[in-house]
Amino acid sequence: GAGVSQSPSNKVTEKGKDVELRCDPISGHTALYWYRQSLGQGLEFLIYFQGNSAPDKSGLPSDRFSAERTGGSVSTLTIQRTQQEDSAVYLCASSLSAPGQANPYEQYFGPGTRLTVT
Amino acid sequence: QKEVEQDPGPLSVPEGAIVSLNCTYSNSAFQYFMWYRQYSRKGPELLMYTYSSGNKEDGRFTAQVDKSSKYISLFIRDSQPSDSATYLCAMSSNRDDKIIFGKGTRLHILP
Repeated sequence: GAGVSQSPSNKVTEKGKDVELRCDPISGHTALYWYRQSLGQGLEFLIYFQGNSAPDKSGLPSDRFSAERTGGSVSTLTIQRTQQEDSAVYLCASSLSAPGQANPYEQYFGPGTRLTVT
Repeated sequence: QKEVEQDPGPLSVPEGAIVSLNCTYSNSAFQYFMWYRQYSRKGPELLMYTYSSGNKEDGRFTAQVDKSSKYISLFIRDSQPSDSATYLCAMSSNRDDKIIFGKGTRLHILP
């Protein structure tokens, strides 16, 4: 079946502009994650949605970052007033995260959006 | 102290060698341990998954968890150039579903 998709695949924007990144998770997956990966760095957790629960926003680096998940499916990550340090690959992942699954914590990642702020 | 520590490498080994990748962690509540492989310009993909302590083998890959030492390992036997990638350890507890990743180790298998 279809995997996690993200759009756009690449985004170049000027400093100070707002950007929106989109994630389409695997159908039926209740959990959705956003991560940021800078060159040579690991995955930096940003935000986590689980079903209808309040999202875990503990990883958002500043109030310029926000995310929504509509109808328990598609998610958008918005970065306002972009800065050069926001340049990174933004990865989205989804998982079933349901008790009784063989591995409820297995995440399926999308290909990422490469954001460059000039 | 970071929750999960992983040497970023790079680690270069000749083809056919046994590779050992490791992570240490500080949170004793972690029970699920995973290894992800990430090729250049791709998203990570799950390679191995273990629950609690012990070993798990899948083909040329073996994952080990030592909860008493808070130490996990991934062994790759008969390494191939196609194994060249970044390997990320990841772990989570039962109390929440958030998965904590290591920074990843870059591995180069030299033909």
